[in-house]
Amino acid sequence: NAGVTQTPKFQVLKTGQSMTLQCAQDMNHEYMSWYRQDPGMGLRLIHYSVGAGITDQGEVPNGYNVSRSTTEDFPLRLLSAAPSQTSVYFCASSPGQGFGTYNSPLHFGNGTRLTVT
Amino acid sequence: QQPVQSPQAVILREGEDAVINCSSSKALYSVHWYRQKHGEAPVFLMILLKGGEQKGHEKISASFNEKKQQSSLYLTASQLSYSGTYFCGTPATDSWGKLQFGAGTQVVVTP
Repeated sequence: NAGVTQTPKFQVLKTGQSMTLQCAQDMNHEYMSWYRQDPGMGLRLIHYSVGAGITDQGEVPNGYNVSRSTTEDFPLRLLSAAPSQTSVYFCASSPGQGFGTYNSPLHFGNGTRLTVT
Repeated sequence: QQPVQSPQAVILREGEDAVINCSSSKALYSVHWYRQKHGEAPVFLMILLKGGEQKGHEKISASFNEKKQQSSLYLTASQLSYSGTYFCGTPATDSWGKLQFGAGTQVVVTP
């Protein structure tokens, strides 16, 4: 199993550009989520999904869109990049099984380091 | 609301012990613990559930006090490999789909 795969590993954007961060998992996990990590602020939840066709907002959803058309994939779209979106982005998945993250660990991808100039 | 971790940082010598605390102003149903090394992804350590059930590494010790709404992670006889940033995470009370993390505790173990 590859686990959770994120692409690209690094990306530089100019203000106003759009792009999609890819996330795929091969563990048949129902639950997937996106976090951003900024120095001194820990991990902040952007969006999450408890199954194909179901998404919901996290703590910091503004400026980001997601969709979940398959169990395996959970792409994150930046609509119009801003310097404030410079961060490291982590995708994570969990078996979930109806209990969300209550009793299931998160498996993280290796992250995408995004810089917006 | 995010859980609060303390201390923010701790420096240990090999073999010393340390405790990392995680507290919440709201009811806790479960607490996750993760460790992240510099430049890497967070790695799962354990989950503590109401009622005393634990899932995770046998060598990691932690407690969960439901009444006090807090959890503690115990680093015993620390090794160099324990260095990293430790995060606790708690599911939001309105949705177990929202796992919210504390700001992290940086642990440095020196020879």
